[in-house]
Amino acid sequence: EIVLTQSPGTLSLSPGERATLSCRASQSVSSSYLAWYQQKPGQAPRLLIYGASSRATGIPDRFSGSGSGTDFTLTISRLEPEDFAVYYCQQYGSSPCTFGQGTKLEIK
Amino acid sequence: QLQLQESGPGLVKPSETLSLTCTVSGGSISSSSYYWGWIRQPPGKGLEWIGSIYYSGSTYYNPSLKSRVTISVDTSKNQFSLKLSSVTAADTAVYYCARLRVFGVGWAGNWGQGTLVTVSS
Repeated sequence: EIVLTQSPGTLSLSPGERATLSCRASQSVSSSYLAWYQQKPGQAPRLLIYGASSRATGIPDRFSGSGSGTDFTLTISRLEPEDFAVYYCQQYGSSPCTFGQGTKLEIK
Repeated sequence: QLQLQESGPGLVKPSETLSLTCTVSGGSISSSSYYWGWIRQPPGKGLEWIGSIYYSGSTYYNPSLKSRVTISVDTSKNQFSLKLSSVTAADTAVYYCARLRVFGVGWAGNWGQGTLVTVSS
């Protein structure tokens, strides 16, 4: 199975700053079948990005995804207070689909 | 608006079978564009895909759980279900049902609120 490694484990930033989250795969993710999710405490994950770079419905354009092959990035251009949460990447190009261990984005 | 709701016991004894049902409202489970899946999250940990089912009944399981998992669908009730046998404390988790778009194994665009299942005697 494809192992996804997210870095950093915790990212401490202030509102208004730019956040860059990384997701590295142990082997190439076919067709850039990579998604990003946001999860807040006590809530289900929320889809942000699919197909590596396509924003899900209703997701603000400050969220963007990029990458291909084994290296993918989620960028939040200007952090809003509601963006502080845990972020997970998921590859769904090969079975079993797998998730990264998460990056916690916390307020500095 | 599509909604998914998990239901089932919150406490299961070790060695018994965990059974959960997901009821889908606001959309048809018989859509050809989606899988219907189960994903779990142990307390304080990350996400694990358990398996998915297509409305036709085709199933796809995580090999790590395949020997213990059965997912079924009831299109007449717009529901799908999870059975996980021979549970241990390691199966304690929040269990989510989700709708996954049919590309590869699928991305999960819609989730239930999740239900905590504790395995304990």
